[in-house]
Amino acid sequence: QSALTQPPSASGSPGQSVTISCTGASSDVGGYNYVSWYQQYPGKAPKLIIYEVNKRPSGVPDRFSGSKSGNTASLTVSGLQAADEADYYCSSFAGVTKDVYVFGTGTKVTVL
Amino acid sequence: EVQLVESGGGLIQPGGSLRLSCAASGFAVSDHYMSWVRQAPGKGLEWVSIIYFSGNIYYADSVKGRFTISRDKSRNIQSLQMNSLRAEDTAVYYCSRGLYSGMDVWGQGTTVTVSS
Repeated sequence: QSALTQPPSASGSPGQSVTISCTGASSDVGGYNYVSWYQQYPGKAPKLIIYEVNKRPSGVPDRFSGSKSGNTASLTVSGLQAADEADYYCSSFAGVTKDVYVFGTGTKVTVL
Repeated sequence: EVQLVESGGGLIQPGGSLRLSCAASGFAVSDHYMSWVRQAPGKGLEWVSIIYFSGNIYYADSVKGRFTISRDKSRNIQSLQMNSLRAEDTAVYYCSRGLYSGMDVWGQGTTVTVSS
C-alpha cells in the first residue's frame, strides 16, 4: 500500500487560508469516508484534527475543515495563525486486504 | 484522564529483538481499536499494526512476519514484539487508539534505534 500523496509544503500569511490536498486511490480515500487529518509539532505526537472527512473533534477550532472529492481529500485552514505552523498528515482506512491504514506523505505548513 | 504511555525503546543491534509496551489509563484497550504507528527520523508517519477490539490483528507488509501485536486485558496494556530488527525499523514508535473515526489518543512515543 503506497502512502497517500500530499504536497511537501504550503504557506500563507496570517489571516489567509491554506488548502492541503491528499491524493489516494479508490481502495483508500475514494472507497471510504474514513479520512482523517493530524497536526504534528516537532518532537510531539500527532493530534487528530479532522475525522470521517469533515468532522472536528471537540476543542478543534472551526478554522480547520475537511472535504473529499473522488480519490482526493483536502484540509483547509482558514484565518491562519502562527500556532498553525506544523506538519499535517492525512490518513485513510484502506480495508483489510492490504495495509489497513495508510498515512499521507505529510505537508509542512509555514505561516509567513 | 485518558492517556497512553509507551516504554521499551532503546538501542538494539540488527537482527535483535525488542518488546514495546503501551500502558493505557482512563479506558480499556480491549474496548477499542489499538494501533502502533512509527515515524523514522525526519520522515512521515507509517502505520505498523492494529488489534481490533474483536481481537482481529493486521500488520503492514513491511513488518509482517517479524512483529507481533498483543494486548493484556488484566494489565490494560498493548505490546509490540519486534524480532529480526533492521536499520529501517529505526523510528519513534507511537501507540494510538481508534481507527474509523481517526486515532484520537496518542502516546508520547518511544524511540527504537537499530544499529551496530
